[in-house]
Formats: sequence, structure tokens, C-alpha cells
Amino acid sequence: KAGVTQTPRYLIKTRGQQVTLSCSPISGHRSVSWYQQTPGQGLQFLFEYFSETQRNKGNFPGRFSGRQFSNSRSEMNVSTLELGDSALYLCASSLTGAGVYEQYFGPGTRLTVT
Amino acid sequence: TQLLEQSPQFLSIQEGENLTVYCNSSSVFSSLQWYRQEPGEGPVLLVTVVTGGEVKKLKRLTFQFGDARKDSSLHITAAQPGDTGLYLCAGGGADGLTFGKGTHLIIQP
Repeated sequence: KAGVTQTPRYLIKTRGQQVTLSCSPISGHRSVSWYQQTPGQGLQFLFEYFSETQRNKGNFPGRFSGRQFSNSRSEMNVSTLELGDSALYLCASSLTGAGVYEQYFGPGTRLTVT
Repeated sequence: TQLLEQSPQFLSIQEGENLTVYCNSSSVFSSLQWYRQEPGEGPVLLVTVVTGGEVKKLKRLTFQFGDARKDSSLHITAAQPGDTGLYLCAGGGADGLTFGKGTHLIIQP
């Protein structure tokens, strides 16, 4: 069974631009969660989607948004990029949801904002 | 806000030695997971523990969940260079997974 895939793997953007990241979960998994990982803050939860609905949301500004499609694929969008948004963005999928259930991570998208 | 503190932050030891890393919180979690992350990759799930006092063994790795489900430990016996990586614990709750900042482990040959 194929793992979680994320595209693109690397991205360089300028302050003020916006970016869209994509995640394809493991086949059959209906939950997709997004995380931001930085050296200083570690892994921080952004949001979780389940059956095309946002089920949980972390403490991030409204510039961070996401959506999930009927095939469970998910996208994350960051608008008006700031230097502090430079990070590794990880997507994780699970069968039914975050929390109790085990999550499987993709390799991440490394975003650099200049 | 639920917080997970991991210690030590950094650990460098020689091949063949034993080590223990810790994951502590003041909050109760319904489950606790350990992941290992290597540079340039996403975290890989090692184990999930759900019952207070539970002990799970995975070859040379032993995971324990505290009786009160607030803390956990990971013990590695006879560490090998392949064990090098960032070890993350994550607590499960109604609002999703809360991650600790991890322990950077280096096993020197």
C-alpha cells in the first residue's frame, strides 16, 4: 500500500505571496491532519479534516487554511506569507481520525520564505 | 493547553550503551504514541500505548505508559547507530495529537 505523499517537496516563496501544498493520504484513510515543524517550536498541529469537514483546528492565524476533497486528498493554503512561516509542513493520515488513532506521516514540504 | 515535555533534549552516546528518554505532562492522555524522525523525512510511528502501566517491547526498544497516563518512557538497550534520530512522543485527546519537542539522539559507532 502506498504511503502518504506530499507535493511539492521543496518550495521557495517571497514574503506576501501565497502557497498551496498538497497531500494524498494512504488509500482508505479518511482523516488528514496538517502540522508545522520548526526547530524552535517543534511539531504544531494546524488542522484536521475528516470526510471533507474540518474537525479540529490548532492555534494558527486565519492565513492558514485547508480543505479536503471527496477522494480524501487535502490541500493547505497559506496566504500573505511571512518569514516566520518557513518550516517543514507535514501531512498525516489515519483511518478515522487524530487523537486515539495512529497517524502516518508524509515526507513533508520544506517551505522557505525569503 | 496540553503540554508534553521531553527529556533530555539532546543525547549522544556510544554504540552498545543503554539509554532512557522521558515524556512528561500534567495532563491525562487517552493514548500516547512514540515516533522516530530522520532528517528530511516525516515521523514514523513506533508504538501506541493506551492503558496506564502498559509496557510494550519492540526488539531492543521498551515503551512504558505511566499508571496515571500522564507520562511515558522509552528505553533502548544496546543502542546502535541506526537508532539515531529525533524521538517524538505524542499524546492523544479529543482535540487531536499534542507533540513534545523531541529528543535528538545520536549513537556514535
